[in-house]
Amino acid sequence: DIQLTQSPSFLSASVGDRVTITCRASQGISSYLAWYQQKPGKAPKLLIYAASTLQSGVPSRFSGSGSGTEFTLTISSLQPEDFATYYCQQLNSYPHGLTFGGGTKVEIK
Amino acid sequence: QVQLVQSGPEVKKPGASVKVSCKASGYTFTNYFIHWVRQAPGQELEWMGILNPSGGSTSYAQKFQGRVTMARDTSTSTVYMDLSSLRSDDTAVYYCARGPLLMDLSFLAHDYWGQGTLVTVSS
Repeated sequence: DIQLTQSPSFLSASVGDRVTITCRASQGISSYLAWYQQKPGKAPKLLIYAASTLQSGVPSRFSGSGSGTEFTLTISSLQPEDFATYYCQQLNSYPHGLTFGGGTKVEIK
Repeated sequence: QVQLVQSGPEVKKPGASVKVSCKASGYTFTNYFIHWVRQAPGQELEWMGILNPSGGSTSYAQKFQGRVTMARDTSTSTVYMDLSSLRSDDTAVYYCARGPLLMDLSFLAHDYWGQGTLVTVSS
């Protein structure tokens, strides 16, 4: 299976900060990557698919980039409702062998 | 509107089996895969497998082969996930999630999720 390594696993930031999360794949996955946001006790919410396409209804302060083995999720100006855990997911062998990264928890500084 | 509604929490003893249901509504049931993903307390998301509601074919993660069975009832647009030989480390929230039938970058992700079902395995 393809492994995904997210970094950092934890970050502390303030409202208004620019935040970048990295996801590295153990082998090339083209642009078959999605990003999700999860809040405590809730199901994940899709933010971005195909590495850089914003899901309908998701604020434009979220953006994704990358292809191959290195990807980033950027929040341009962190808002109070953005404090959550973020996961990347690779879908290179869809619908088989899907894997998620270990998560990045974004907390208030 | 699209909804995936899961069955309620379960408490099981080690060695037992659990069946979790996921009822779909608001879209054509056979037009999307249903995936199952679990999350142990404080841990990351873990993909378990998929079911194709059109025909019922399944594919399971190697880790769960032999212990998991997924099935569907098209008359009620419901998918079931059965996990057997439960162990304490199966304690987790189990989610169903929708995914497209085609591997196409125009859309490839899980856009709708169930609310999650907590399965607790304890003696």
